[in-house]
Formats: sequence, structure tokens, C-alpha cells
Amino acid sequence: ETGVTQSPTHLIKTRGQQVTLRCSSQSGHNTVSWYQQALGQGPQFIFQYYREEENGRGNFPPRFSGLQFPNYSSELNVNALELDDSALYLCASSPEASRRTGELFFGEGSRLTVL
Amino acid sequence: DQQVKQNSPSLSVQEGRISILNCDYTNSMFDYFLWYKKYPAEGPTFLISISSIKDKNEDGRFTVFLNKSAKHLSLHIVPSQPGDSAVYFCAAAITQGGSEKLVFGKGTKLTVNP
Repeated sequence: ETGVTQSPTHLIKTRGQQVTLRCSSQSGHNTVSWYQQALGQGPQFIFQYYREEENGRGNFPPRFSGLQFPNYSSELNVNALELDDSALYLCASSPEASRRTGELFFGEGSRLTVL
Repeated sequence: DQQVKQNSPSLSVQEGRISILNCDYTNSMFDYFLWYKKYPAEGPTFLISISSIKDKNEDGRFTVFLNKSAKHLSLHIVPSQPGDSAVYFCAAAITQGGSEKLVFGKGTKLTVNP
């Protein structure tokens, strides 16, 4: 069983640029969530996708957007990058059965540095 | 507004002794509470959870206790092993508008010394 995989693992961008991060969810999981983990902080909820629809969003501006594809893989797009966007971006998937328990399966993350 | 707080940034214990990690929360609407463990350069991995209607859940060396009146939970690891050294995140699950999200604390770095 393949776990959650994310790409790229590391990347460096400059302020104002745009970035796309990718995630392949674990087999059989139809829900994908994205979290941002700044240095010294816990992960913060960005948004969740269920069956290709965004069905929940945290306190992040509209320049953070996402997609979920029919195979349940997902993308996180961030436009007009700011220095504070530097963080570890974590993708997590979950099966239907754990949607009420909160148990998520995380990838290793994509570390974004904005200069 | 930090709804989930882990007030101890770090904890150091001797191998074989008990590790106790603490977590406080403010929102009574949380459905589940979870503990995740994170090693460097890896994503968080699920450790153990507890429903808001329970007060204890045990899985091998790991036990989570929930005190709803105090809005406090703790993770006990007995006996502690050097491989348990990692950052432990307390998280609370809440359903809002059809989605389920986790609210995390800032983490506690556990070091188990041989």
C-alpha cells in the first residue's frame, strides 16, 4: 500500500511568484487536506477536498487555492508569494471511515522557502 | 486565538521511565483528540486518539487520558524508549460545515535518554 506522497520536497521561490505543490493520496482515500506548518508552530488547516469539491477552509486568503482530481490526487497553488508563506506544507489523506474521527495520514511535506 | 495548547516545548526522560505529555484546549465542540508523532524530515504519524465521550484509551505503551471538566488531556508513554524521541503534537478534531479539520498544538519535543 503506497502512502501519501508529495512533490517537490524542497523548493525556493521569490516574493511575488506562484507555486504549485502536488500530492498523491493513499490508495482508497477520497479526502485530502492541506496544512501549513511554520517554523516552531503546529500544522494549520488550509482547506479540505472531498470528491473533487472544496468542503472546508481555514483562515487563509484566496491566493491559496487547490484542486482535487478524479484519482483523488491534489494540488495546492499559492499566488503572489509572501515571505511569511515560507513553511512546510503538509498534505494528508483520509478514508471515508475516518472522516468523523479526524485521523489523517500525512505525507512528508514540501518545504517552501520564499526569498 | 490558540484553541489547543501544549505549554511544554520540551521534555527529557530516562529510558524505562514514564513520559507524560500534556495538552489543554478551549473549545468544547471538539469531537476527538489525537496525538501525532513527528520525526525530522517526515510527516506527522498518528499515534493514538480518544473520543470526547471517553476518558481513557490505551494502546500498548501509550495511554491517553481526557479530563473534560478541566479541558485537559495527557499522553503517557510507559516505558519510554530512545526510539520515542520525537516531537509530539496534540490535535483536536472538529467538524465544521461538512469538513473535518484538526487543530494542532505547537508540539512538545520528547528526548528519551539511554
